[in-house]
Amino acid sequence: QSALTQPRSVSGSPGQSVTISCTGTSSDVGGYNYVSWYQQHPGKAPKLMIYDVTKRPSGVPDRFSGSKSGNTASLTISGLQAEDEADYYCCSYAGSYTWVFGGGTKVTVL
Amino acid sequence: QLQLQESGPGLVKPSETLSLTCTVSGGSISTSGYYWDWIRQPPGKGLEWIGSIYYGRGTYYNPSLKSRESISVDTSKKQFSLKLSSVTAADTAVYYCAGARVGNYYKDVWGKGTTVTVSS
Repeated sequence: QSALTQPRSVSGSPGQSVTISCTGTSSDVGGYNYVSWYQQHPGKAPKLMIYDVTKRPSGVPDRFSGSKSGNTASLTISGLQAEDEADYYCCSYAGSYTWVFGGGTKVTVL
Repeated sequence: QLQLQESGPGLVKPSETLSLTCTVSGGSISTSGYYWDWIRQPPGKGLEWIGSIYYGRGTYYNPSLKSRESISVDTSKKQFSLKLSSVTAADTAVYYCAGARVGNYYKDVWGKGTTVTVSS
């Protein structure tokens, strides 16, 4: 079970859009529509931002959106805001009640 | 609303067994219909799923950990626990407990995390 591949960092100016990719295999990302995304601020626990590839929990701003194509899932933050600066992790179901996370992406707001 | 709180020793010696507990409040640990997970994060690194338990149904583990881990539930104390044997410095991490409602494939409740350092 290998970690999903995410870029180490992405950055953008306030108001711009950034997209984070999450690449796995046909045994995880490509095999199930069960990709979730978590936001983590320093010293804090992860917070669910997207689940089931595209769904947003109540309270998550609609500038956060998710998608998937083949073995790669993506998280897009539109209208970047200062409070969006954090680490973001993707997570995919990998079958047999197991899960795999990505290595994390640091989003910097310039 | 479910809340989770991790507890356990912050320092463990190499080769010993790490033992952590997660206390569940705001709901039942056995009938709430949740998978209970352990997830860890080494310093400066990403999240790693360790394993999960569904009370009365089974336990599921990350094959990468080579069977060193064990997860159990104590319903009388409303706790679930993680034991990780033969620890090394590589097991130094913040350990989170989390929960996922049965039928959902995401972790919708998290503890705040507890730091465990493996050192002599």
